[in-house]
Amino acid sequence: DADVTQTPRNRITKTGKRIMLECSQTKGHDRMYWYRQDPGLGLRLIYYSFDVKDINKGEISDGYSVSRQAQAKFSLSLESAIPNQTALYFCATSDTSTRRGNGYTFGSGTRLTVV
Amino acid sequence: SQQGEEDPQALSIQEGENATMNCSYKTSINNLQWYRQNSGRGLVHLILIRSNEREKHSGRLRVTLDTSKKSSSLLITASRAADTASYFCATDAGTYKYIFGTGTRLKVLA
Repeated sequence: DADVTQTPRNRITKTGKRIMLECSQTKGHDRMYWYRQDPGLGLRLIYYSFDVKDINKGEISDGYSVSRQAQAKFSLSLESAIPNQTALYFCATSDTSTRRGNGYTFGSGTRLTVV
Repeated sequence: SQQGEEDPQALSIQEGENATMNCSYKTSINNLQWYRQNSGRGLVHLILIRSNEREKHSGRLRVTLDTSKKSSSLLITASRAADTASYFCATDAGTYKYIFGTGTRLKVLA
């Protein structure tokens, strides 16, 4: 099993629908992140959580919400999807061992299309 | 807004040649990381360099950091077709919240 699992892998949804993207990890990391990737724009941070009771907005949080249900689970919701939320979404995890150079662990991504 | 900007945006080289890509950033950092992404898949961590380090090596990878110029470079020596990917730098200002650049698309021709 992958260290960081994202579901679904691909999703097509209609404008106005609510959709949830899920992320679970087996790394035991305390920190979890949601990024969005658009062509030519790199990755942009949507939300991040440093532990179960800590939720923080990133640079592009409007139109999104998150829930940290447990240390291992971090879900991203689009309350009312719109076409410009079509993108590749990544969940990532890290812990304080970043100090020792381990970096983020990324999931395989969810390709979301809003029509 | 992006913290890091990679240069060039795209690079095409022959197998066996060296590939160099650069990252410039705007604000002071604690450390900088480089990641590889294969064709729309998840990013893979390559190397981390701290602000008090000037150079690090990992296999065929060499990373340099110049904090006075707010720039870093990633050198891949003796490139292989399997190195074809996008490469991203990511910077941390001390919050463990990394900001990614826009990436360099590397194509290694066999």
